Amino acid sequence: DAGVTQSPTHLIKTRGQQVTLRCSPKSGHDTVSWYQQALGQGPQFIFQYYEEEERQRGNFPDRFSGHQFPNYSSELNVNALLLGDSALYLCASSLERGASRSSYEQYFGPGTRLTVT
Amino acid sequence: DAKTTQPPSMDCAEGRAANLPCNHSTISGNEYVYWYRQIHSQGPQYIIHGLKNNETNEMASLIITEDRKSSTLILPHATLRDTAVYYCIVRVAGYGGATNKLIFGTGTLLAVQP
Repeated sequence: DAGVTQSPTHLIKTRGQQVTLRCSPKSGHDTVSWYQQALGQGPQFIFQYYEEEERQRGNFPDRFSGHQFPNYSSELNVNALLLGDSALYLCASSLERGASRSSYEQYFGPGTRLTVT
Repeated sequence: DAKTTQPPSMDCAEGRAANLPCNHSTISGNEYVYWYRQIHSQGPQYIIHGLKNNETNEMASLIITEDRKSSTLILPHATLRDTAVYYCIVRVAGYGGATNKLIFGTGTLLAVQP
């Protein structure tokens, strides 16, 4: 049973550039959430995608955008990179359609380490 | 903001039980308590969750007080591989809207000592 996968593992970009991170959800899951984790902090919610629509968004600027594909995989795009965007970007997947509310879980991928220089 | 309070760090001897406390004094009746852990530079790993009854699985036990204002995660026989940051999170039981995002605090760094 494939878990959540993310690519690339590591990435180095320069200020002002654009980056795309990719996520494949756990088999059978239909919802993808993205989190940013700065060094020494807990993960911060960026946004969530369900049925190819952004359903919920955290306190992040419009430079952060995303997409969900029909196969439920997802991309996170960040434009005009700033030094402060350096972080571990985590993708988490979950199942909503037909699932029990009491059994809800989010499964996380290993993350993409983005360094902006 | 996170709705939970946890000690920043704890130590535990290998082979002993690790008891990690969490305060969630403002928890609502429809909010579950979730525990995740994050081993250095990896993604968070789901451990356990519960509403009001105590829960146990192959990884840990979750004890929730009767007033639901606090809980304890118990790792019965800690090993060196249990060294990680442990996050306690409360989440509304539902789908969509504001229910599905996890709000992490800074967690408890558990150091298991040999």
